[in-house]
Amino acid sequence: AQSVSQHNHHVILSEAASLELGCNYSYGGTVNLFWYVQYPGQHLQLLLKYFSGDPLVKGIKGFEAEFIKSKFSFNLRKPSVQWSDTAEYFCAVNPLNTGFQKLVFGTGTRLLVSP
Amino acid sequence: DGGITQSPKYLFRKEGQNVTLSCEQNLNHDAMYWYRQDPGQGLRLIYYSQIVNDFQKGDIAEGYSVSREKKESFPLTVTSAQKNPTAFYLCASSLTAGTRGWNEQYFGPGTRLTVT
Repeated sequence: AQSVSQHNHHVILSEAASLELGCNYSYGGTVNLFWYVQYPGQHLQLLLKYFSGDPLVKGIKGFEAEFIKSKFSFNLRKPSVQWSDTAEYFCAVNPLNTGFQKLVFGTGTRLLVSP
Repeated sequence: DGGITQSPKYLFRKEGQNVTLSCEQNLNHDAMYWYRQDPGQGLRLIYYSQIVNDFQKGDIAEGYSVSREKKESFPLTVTSAQKNPTAFYLCASSLTAGTRGWNEQYFGPGTRLTVT
């Protein structure tokens, strides 16, 4: 079945540690890719997106993600996390053959950054 | 102050009762969406509407109904037929839902529904 997988459900890091969250998808056609973040008590918001071109995309707050087509992956990275990065992170895929702007979300990764 | 409002933030209902969740946007967006968020399952699409007076089923529409009589409003009714209604419900909107270019989806604060 077509899906989006996030392998890490819970991640605990200390401040200044590096972060990498995995995301794999199983759609065979062309897709747009996204990472969303949900800070405690706040709205879900867009962190970064990839449509085409340079496979390394930069988002807000120092986050970046790399699209590796051969691996169907779109991993999120940050060189040095801060306590304020504590949140839930969702990878999402927009398959371009659905006829509308459908977003398919992964199961999410809860990140806890300890000071 | 533009955005999406959902009310109430918390909602409690007895099993067997229908309940309607409100979603209003003042962004002048044509498209609106309802998602359900469960722990460990991410967000799943319930219904979406590309334009007033039109809406389509998403991936998990059974037990839910919607209406889109006004551009700014897209209420979701959780009916007694929904087997596991307790969840966090998120509404979103985008400028359009068509496939000519991407229009970012903006999310509301959500309503947590508990059915006992």
